[in-house]
Amino acid sequence: AQSVAQPEDQVNVAEGNPLTVKCTYSVSGNPYLFWYVQYPNRGLQFLLKYITGDNLVKGSYGFEAEFNKSQTSFHLKKPSALVSDSALYFCAVRDFITNAGKSTFGDGTTLTVKP
Amino acid sequence: DTGVSQNPRHKITKRGQNVTFRCDPISEHNRLYWYRQTLGQGPEFLTYFQNEAQLEKSRLLSDRFSAERPKGSFSTLEIQRTEQGDSAMYLCASSDDSQPQHFGDGTRLSIL
Repeated sequence: AQSVAQPEDQVNVAEGNPLTVKCTYSVSGNPYLFWYVQYPNRGLQFLLKYITGDNLVKGSYGFEAEFNKSQTSFHLKKPSALVSDSALYFCAVRDFITNAGKSTFGDGTTLTVKP
Repeated sequence: DTGVSQNPRHKITKRGQNVTFRCDPISEHNRLYWYRQTLGQGPEFLTYFQNEAQLEKSRLLSDRFSAERPKGSFSTLEIQRTEQGDSAMYLCASSDDSQPQHFGDGTRLSIL
C-alpha cells in the first residue's frame, strides 16, 4: 500500500519570503515522488520529481524539493515566493518498481502568497 | 505537444442517466490514466491503460463504471445509472512509460 500526507491544508506567506509545503509518504518499495500544482478549474501541472540521486531536486518556476529518506518526507520549497505562486499543491507517490501505473496523491495544500 | 484534451468540460445530467467522457492523450504517450477528484481532496486513481490494455482498476470503479481505449489512442469513461455521489471532476492523464503524468483540464460532472 502507498499513501501521502500533506499535514497543512493551508500555508500563508508574504511575497519575497521563503515557502515550504510539507509532504510525507509511505510506500513499500522505492518511492517515485512528484509535486503538482493546480489552478482553479484546471488540471494538475507537473512541477518536479524524485527517483534517485541528489536529495535536492529542482523543478519548474523556481521550485525545489528535498527528499529525506529517514523522515520519509519530500517537502516543496521556494526561496522567494511570488503572488502568482498562489495555488493548490499536491504531492504524489508511486512505488517505482511494483506499482508502475498507480500514483497516490495527498489531499493538497492551498498556498496563499500575500503582497 | 498539444496537451491532454478532455470533452466535455462540463456535464450536467439527471440521476439515473448514463454519461460518457472522452480523453485524447498526448499522441506519443502509451499510458493513459483516469482519476476522480472531489472538492478538498486529491485525485483518486480509477484505472489505467498501457496502450489498449487496461492494466489496473481501483475498487472505487464500481460495475457502473467502464473505461475503454480501443486503439491505444483516445479513451472513454462511461458511467451508467448515475448517482448523486458520482458528482466530481474526472481527470485524465497520460505519460510515456514511467515519466510524469500530464493532466487534462478535466470534465466536471454534476448530477441533478
